Amino acid sequence: GAVVSQHPSWVICKSGTSVKIECRSLDFQATTMFWYRQFPKQSLMLMATSNEGSKATYEQGVEKDKFLINHASLTLSTLTVTSAHPEDSSFYICSAAGGTTSTDTQYFGPGTRLTVL
Amino acid sequence: GESVGLHLPTLSVQEGDNSIINCAYSNSASDYFIWYKQESGKGPQFIIDIRSNMDKRQGQRVTVLLNKTVKHLSLQIAATQPGDSAVYFCAEALSGNTPLVFGKGTRLSVIA
Repeated sequence: GAVVSQHPSWVICKSGTSVKIECRSLDFQATTMFWYRQFPKQSLMLMATSNEGSKATYEQGVEKDKFLINHASLTLSTLTVTSAHPEDSSFYICSAAGGTTSTDTQYFGPGTRLTVL
Repeated sequence: GESVGLHLPTLSVQEGDNSIINCAYSNSASDYFIWYKQESGKGPQFIIDIRSNMDKRQGQRVTVLLNKTVKHLSLQIAATQPGDSAVYFCAEALSGNTPLVFGKGTRLSVIA
């Protein structure tokens, strides 16, 4: 149990376009979802925390107008990178929490590799 | 042995030996600690967690030790196997549904 999926697994886009990444909890209801960004050989950096039905809370330095987060249901959150630029190229990972009774551990998706040309 | 690379410290161990990966955490108020394993190009995989009211927890071939006095967390892997080769991250949080703060990670390299 506790499976989190992401779609797409990788995407290549042109500079200036927008890209949407989906994060789904497949077998549990996630009251909270988190979005992380990871650059090569570095650790995960939290971008924002998303609670179902409310606005996301962004970490300092993360532009909320650039990284749009929607958490419309207990099983789906989306991250849209608007007007993407090469510096936005990174590995984007979501996690979900709140659906298991034995633990409220965050379970991570497989990640989405974004390359902006 | 243990060495510091450009970005990640690396731990090299012989197959079959035990591995110990260490982590110093930052917040004395953190209540929840997790170890994750991340293979190249994949998302982090949950290994084991521990709450601050415990100092040791065992799983299958893994043990997590927590020393709150010195804010130190360690992951012990018994009989290390080639499939254990990955980057290991410790993470801390005030509770399970609060944001995780990840450590820098340690690359474990298992020598067959």
